Amino acid sequence: ETGVTQSPTHLIKTRGQQVTLRCSSQSGHNTVSWYQQALGQGPQFIFQYYREEENGRGNFPPRFSGLQFPNYSSELNVNALELDDSALYLCASSLAPTVRNTEAFFGQGTRLTVV
Amino acid sequence: AQRVTQPEKLLSVFKGAPVELKCNYSYSGSPELFWYVQYSRQRLQLLLRHISRESIKGFTADLNKGETSFHLKKPFAQEEDSAMYYCALSGGNNAGNMLTFGGGTRLMVKP
Repeated sequence: ETGVTQSPTHLIKTRGQQVTLRCSSQSGHNTVSWYQQALGQGPQFIFQYYREEENGRGNFPPRFSGLQFPNYSSELNVNALELDDSALYLCASSLAPTVRNTEAFFGQGTRLTVV
Repeated sequence: AQRVTQPEKLLSVFKGAPVELKCNYSYSGSPELFWYVQYSRQRLQLLLRHISRESIKGFTADLNKGETSFHLKKPFAQEEDSAMYYCALSGGNNAGNMLTFGGGTRLMVKP
C-alpha cells in the first residue's frame, strides 16, 4: 500500500503565472482534500474532491481550481499567482468525504514560492 | 463559522514533566475534535480524535463542551514528543468534509 505522494516538492513561480500541483491518493481512497499552509500558520482548507466532483470549498477565490481523475489522483491549479500564494500546499486522501467517519492521510506537501 | 485557537506558539518542558497543549474552539453545533502531530521531516499525521477516547503515545485529550476546549495532556513528557501539534475541528452537515486547524504549538522537550 502506497501513501499520499505530491509533486513537485518545491516550486518557484513568478507573480501572474499559473501553477499545477499534483497529488496521488493512497490506494483505495476516493477522496482528496487540498490545504494551504502559510508560514507559521495551520493548514487552511481549500477544497475537496470526491469521485471526480468538487465536494466542498473553503474561502479561496475562483483562481484556485482543481480536478480529480478516475484513478482518484488530483490536481490543484492556481491562476494569476500572487505573492501571498507562497505557502506549503498539502494534499490529504481518505476513504470517505466526511472526516468524522474516516482518517485523512496527508502528503509531504509542495512548497510554492511566488516571486 | 468554526474556529480553533491554540494560544501557545511554543511550549518548552523538561523530560519527565507534565505537558498540556491548549486548544479552544468555537462552533455552534456538535463538532468532532482532533489532534494532529508533525515530527521533524515527517508529514502531518493524526494523533488522536475525541470520539475514540483513546490514549495514544501516552497522550489524552478530553472534550469539554462547557469550556469549548480540547486540551492535549501527557503526564510525563519524552524527548521524542518534540514536534509540532495542531488541534483541528470538523463540523457537521456540509462542513463535515473539512478540517479547521489551529495555528499549532511547537513542543520542545529538553533532556
